[in-house]
Amino acid sequence: AQRVTQPEKLLSVFKGAPVELKCNYSYSGSPELFWYVQYSRQRLQLLLRHISRESIKGFTADLNKGETSFHLKKPFAQEEDSAMYYCALKWNYQLIWGAGTKLIIKP
Amino acid sequence: DVKVTQSSRYLVKRTGEKVFLECVQDMDHENMFWYRQDPGLGLRLIYFSYDVKMKEKGDIPEGYSVSREKKERFSLILESASTNQTSMYLCASTPGSQVNYGYTFGSGTRLTVV
Repeated sequence: AQRVTQPEKLLSVFKGAPVELKCNYSYSGSPELFWYVQYSRQRLQLLLRHISRESIKGFTADLNKGETSFHLKKPFAQEEDSAMYYCALKWNYQLIWGAGTKLIIKP
Repeated sequence: DVKVTQSSRYLVKRTGEKVFLECVQDMDHENMFWYRQDPGLGLRLIYFSYDVKMKEKGDIPEGYSVSREKKERFSLILESASTNQTSMYLCASTPGSQVNYGYTFGSGTRLTVV
């Protein structure tokens, strides 16, 4: 069955430190994966898609089919990165969501 | 430029009441979704619709129904509200099969059932 796992409910790092938010998926086909972000009191929004191979706000995510992972990384965290992050997998017309990771950047 | 609008930001209802949550999008999207968002559980799909008058059950449809009479509007109905339906409800839309372009979300409705 399709599944997305984000093993960390909470991740706390200091400003300037590297950040890695983990995401693992279970899917038998060719996956399409996304990261969404929700800042405090704002709506949930798309951060990046693996098919775009883009870097948004300094974040990147590489699809590793061997490890079935799509971890989100940023080399130097900033305080404004504090937010809730969700990993999602496309399945038919839907997205399968992970439980989310709350990222806190300490000054 | 708000594109998905949820009619209420906060709602407080009594147990047993019938509750209507409204969602309107102005992007001519075919697909619309209702989720509930709970800490530690992520987003759970309640219902979705891929066309007018069409609806499909999601993962947790019990206690809910939906209505899509017009393309731009997708309503979530709690037939008889219960305290375990206290949650944040999110509406989203996406065009046709282009899920890879991402969902557009509303700002959410925080429902409290007392």
